[in-house]
Amino acid sequence: GDSVTQKQGQVTLSEDDFLFINCTYSTTTYPTLLWYVQYLGQGPQLLLKVTTANNKGISRGFEATYDKGTTSFHLQKASVQESDSAVYFCALVETGSFNKLTFGAGTRLAVCP
Amino acid sequence: NAGVIQTPRHKVTGKGQEATLWCEPISGHSAVFWYRQTIVQGLEFLTYFRNQAPIDDSGMPKERFSAQMPNQSHSTLKIQSTQPQDSAVYLCASSLTTGKNTLYFGAGTRLSVL
Repeated sequence: GDSVTQKQGQVTLSEDDFLFINCTYSTTTYPTLLWYVQYLGQGPQLLLKVTTANNKGISRGFEATYDKGTTSFHLQKASVQESDSAVYFCALVETGSFNKLTFGAGTRLAVCP
Repeated sequence: NAGVIQTPRHKVTGKGQEATLWCEPISGHSAVFWYRQTIVQGLEFLTYFRNQAPIDDSGMPKERFSAQMPNQSHSTLKIQSTQPQDSAVYLCASSLTTGKNTLYFGAGTRLSVL
């Protein structure tokens, strides 16, 4: 079945550092790819979404490019702030499914002031 | 718009007791999803409803877990004879039913089974 892989369990950065979170996926078709962010004590909330291969999603300074060649959807931000500290989940909408999401394991980002 | 409301926020049960978790979707959203979140397994899909009808319960444990959506304004997840391994955060999400729309999650119910 469809799957999403995030290998980085934890990332620790200082403010203004560059952020890169790796995400790869496996599916038989071209899924919708998403990044969700979960702040402490809250449910996940959508950060950005891309529906077409080779397109880029941009939101709040974060960006991710849907690369069907490498089946990747890495998340980047040029300059992180302490308020970006959260858990980031890569996800896809399963093939043939209505909005049913498959999530990666999540990457916990800690940004030190 | 109050968002997806889940009650209670925290529930503590003894082993073997029943737990009922409540979810109120965003008004106008006709799709409701349940997920379970643990440190080990991450975010796991349990089940979802569309226009109150159960569509996919492939993630639900075969025993002791059941979910219902008796009307458009709420859904329940019931766990009978709770076990310590049921301890998790149970998340409810809702969405519109047209196209591939965003899932909006509630804050979750943290279930602790002693």
